[in-house]
Amino acid sequence: KAGVTQTPRYLIKTRGQQVTLSCSPISGHRSVSWYQQTPGQGLQFLFEYFSETQRNKGNFPGRFSGRQFSNSRSEMNVSTLELGDSALYLCASSWRLVIDEQFFGPGTRLTVL
Amino acid sequence: GIQVEQSPPDLILQEGANSTLRCNFSDSVNNLQWFHQNPWGQLINLFYIPSGTKQNGRLSATTVATERYSLLYISSSQTTDSGVYFCAVAKSGAGSYQLTFGKGTKLSVIP
Repeated sequence: KAGVTQTPRYLIKTRGQQVTLSCSPISGHRSVSWYQQTPGQGLQFLFEYFSETQRNKGNFPGRFSGRQFSNSRSEMNVSTLELGDSALYLCASSWRLVIDEQFFGPGTRLTVL
Repeated sequence: GIQVEQSPPDLILQEGANSTLRCNFSDSVNNLQWFHQNPWGQLINLFYIPSGTKQNGRLSATTVATERYSLLYISSSQTTDSGVYFCAVAKSGAGSYQLTFGKGTKLSVIP
């Protein structure tokens, strides 16, 4: 069974640009969550999707958005990039609930110059 | 929200030594997972252990849910065990759709 995949793996952008990251969950998993990891703040929850609906959103500005497609694949978008958005973005998938075992992808490392 | 504290924050071991990492959490939980973050950043699943004891090779974990802590044991450590170990928890209930992570324990195993 293939694991969680994320594309692209690395990304370099400049301030003011926007970026879209993609996540494909494990086959059969319907919940996809996104996390941001930075040295200063650790791992922080961005949002979670199930059956194309956002069920929860973390404490991030509206520049961070996401969506989920009918095949459970998810994308997150960051508009008007700031230097502080440089981070490792991790996607996790699970069967249905947060109390189900979560599996993480390899991450997308975003650098904003 | 739930608070998660991991200790120690840093640990340096000689190859072959044993270690115990601790995770304390502030509320009852329905999901507790241990992860190892590899040098490339991926979180590798070690244990899904909301309660009880599990073993996988040189690694084992115990969660005492009633006392709100979990322990990860690493025996006969190897240099490949180096990295950051995270504990993450979640609680079921309305609006509860996220894992809460501790700050991690950075393990360095030296030859």
